Amino acid sequence: EVQLVQSGGVVVQPGGSLRLSCAASGFTFNDYHMHWVRQPPGKGLEWVSLISADGGDTHYADSVKGRFTISRDNSKSSLFLQMNSLRTEDTAFYYCAKELWSGELDSWGQGTLVTVSS
Amino acid sequence: EIVLTQSPGTLSLSPGERATLSCRASQSVASSYLAWYQQKPGQAPRLLIYSTSTRATGIPDRFSGSGSGTDFTLTISRLEPEDFAVYYCQQYGSLPQAFGQGTKVEIK
Repeated sequence: EVQLVQSGGVVVQPGGSLRLSCAASGFTFNDYHMHWVRQPPGKGLEWVSLISADGGDTHYADSVKGRFTISRDNSKSSLFLQMNSLRTEDTAFYYCAKELWSGELDSWGQGTLVTVSS
Repeated sequence: EIVLTQSPGTLSLSPGERATLSCRASQSVASSYLAWYQQKPGQAPRLLIYSTSTRATGIPDRFSGSGSGTDFTLTISRLEPEDFAVYYCQQYGSLPQAFGQGTKVEIK
């Protein structure tokens, strides 16, 4: 059974930094591209970032480009999102997700609430 | 950048009725790479349909997808009580990927 287990929620001040993690199991992690998607409380989904299976290719939404960095450790079946220069508008549930074939997301973590507030 | 617009915002229907949800893209979606997700309160989204019309593993056949180019539809043939939820479309044919704003299917 595919499982994606995310680290717990946190509160961080504007301008601060945070690293999210996602531990994968139940599939061959280094065979699949992985994504981060976020959702402000009570609002819709926003795609954030993508990393290729080997970690060599990454892509970002314009809203986070230059501030967030996606990475992975295939030896530990783990996905990360380093978030710097956080803003109040980054407040959201952050989900890690596994790509099925070409961008569709067939397995999701439970979500981590990141609150950016002073 | 492709923008997806879903309609209606809310659909009020009774169990057993047919639901038709629309997703319109601002540009043609490459390779018909359009997916649909269901999300219930407090849960992560669940993949229902990908490549416009392919049901994901374990998804019942009352869910179907259709469309091409810029216009796509998710149809639920007969609503079951567990189908009342929010539905999102997603295009993944080009980067950045994008989601629609969602359609809420509520009990009438």
